[in-house]
Amino acid sequence: AQSVTQLGSHVSVSEGALVLLRCNYSSSVPPYLFWYVQYPNQGLQLLLKYTTGATLVKGINGFEAEFKKSETSFHLTKPSAHMSDAAEYFCAVSDTGFQKLVFGTGTRLLVSP
Amino acid sequence: GAVVSQHPSRVICKSGTSVKIECRSLDFQATTMFWYRQFPKKSLMLMATSNEGSKATYEQGVEKDKFLINHASLTLSTLTVTSAHPEDSSFYICSARGGGTSGTSSYNEQFFGPGTRLTVL
Repeated sequence: AQSVTQLGSHVSVSEGALVLLRCNYSSSVPPYLFWYVQYPNQGLQLLLKYTTGATLVKGINGFEAEFKKSETSFHLTKPSAHMSDAAEYFCAVSDTGFQKLVFGTGTRLLVSP
Repeated sequence: GAVVSQHPSRVICKSGTSVKIECRSLDFQATTMFWYRQFPKKSLMLMATSNEGSKATYEQGVEKDKFLINHASLTLSTLTVTSAHPEDSSFYICSARGGGTSGTSSYNEQFFGPGTRLTVL
């Protein structure tokens, strides 16, 4: 069975600072990995995904993530935080393509001026 | 493209009544739709997977008779919470998985609706 662990329920950064949101996964087969963002009272928006190929994945809004098989990690980064990045971020894994997604517990990103 | 809508966005009902939530894929045909439940400050928990024209597959622990799912067309799935009680209060989110051809934006990806906030008094 797959699982996702997101370290840190809350991450606080200053505007302009580096954003690092951590995600570790467990999967018995090569995983598909996703990062989603959720703004208050809204659904989820896909930031980026890893399926196969290049391990450094670039997404929308300046975010990127690197798949590290040896570390079973898929951490999300952004070089410079913006106030509009404040939201809840979810990491998810699937071992059947885009079928059943298993989500982590989420990390709330707080951005201060 | 690839927009999923949910209706209503918010609903308040009395205990014992039934509530229907609609999930529509507006600009693509969704071969599969998923229903999730999100508790406050918690992650999304998959409730069930529905394929057009067939019965939904429920996750372990989800009551089939409580949460009725119908996927009558390639653009519409409904979730009916029957005899709702306060513990059913939650944020319900649907997603739709596009079919289509490889290379299109909707191919195989799950697109999420904006969610429905259910409050049972």
